[in-house]
Amino acid sequence: DSGVTQTPKHLITATGQRVTLRCSPRSGDLSVYWYQQSLDQGLQFLIQYYNGEERAKGNILERFSAQQFPDLHSELNLSSLELGDSALYFCASSVMDNQPQHFGDGTRLSIL
Amino acid sequence: QKEVEQDPGPLSVPEGAIVSLNCTYSNSAFQYFMWYRQYSRKGPELLMYTYSSGNKEDGRFTAQVDKSSKYISLFIRDSQPSDSATYLCAMVPSGAGSYQLTFGKGTKLSVIP
Repeated sequence: DSGVTQTPKHLITATGQRVTLRCSPRSGDLSVYWYQQSLDQGLQFLIQYYNGEERAKGNILERFSAQQFPDLHSELNLSSLELGDSALYFCASSVMDNQPQHFGDGTRLSIL
Repeated sequence: QKEVEQDPGPLSVPEGAIVSLNCTYSNSAFQYFMWYRQYSRKGPELLMYTYSSGNKEDGRFTAQVDKSSKYISLFIRDSQPSDSATYLCAMVPSGAGSYQLTFGKGTKLSVIP
């Protein structure tokens, strides 16, 4: 158990809808990262937050957004969902920027 | 050319064999190197973390980094059926700013009893 908790484990929804994925980092970790894993692209970095502030953006679509709250949990919001958004979404956390990242077990998003 | 190349396999070996997993990379700014293991329907689990050229050993696992060749390896000794998983290499560039990981696509390993 990595100590990173993601909910829900599985989401099934339809095109055009909006969903929110939640991540609780390991106790004491200030950095939260979001990644998308698909069969063809592998694991791709989406966005990072550090102690409530956005730190970096990767290959994140404009339809996606995230935030980190004062208690350090983070949410990833996906809107106007398309079939191609079906993937595994992982959250990772680390104590600080240059420390190893530990991953949760992900949320599997299925768009019908 | 992708920044990180990793042979997807699948790789099938008998129990007890030595397994060699490899990644090459093109970005010379990469300075931190990791190996993750991912079981089906689970998140990546950190196995090894290193930031210098050379070898690092942890139990049955040895990570090797050759920055001059832009090549990293993970060796698994006395492989066990429980080692059957997908192995992902990951890297981070040096310098201030984000420490986003760039992953290889993973090698699927099966260890046959």
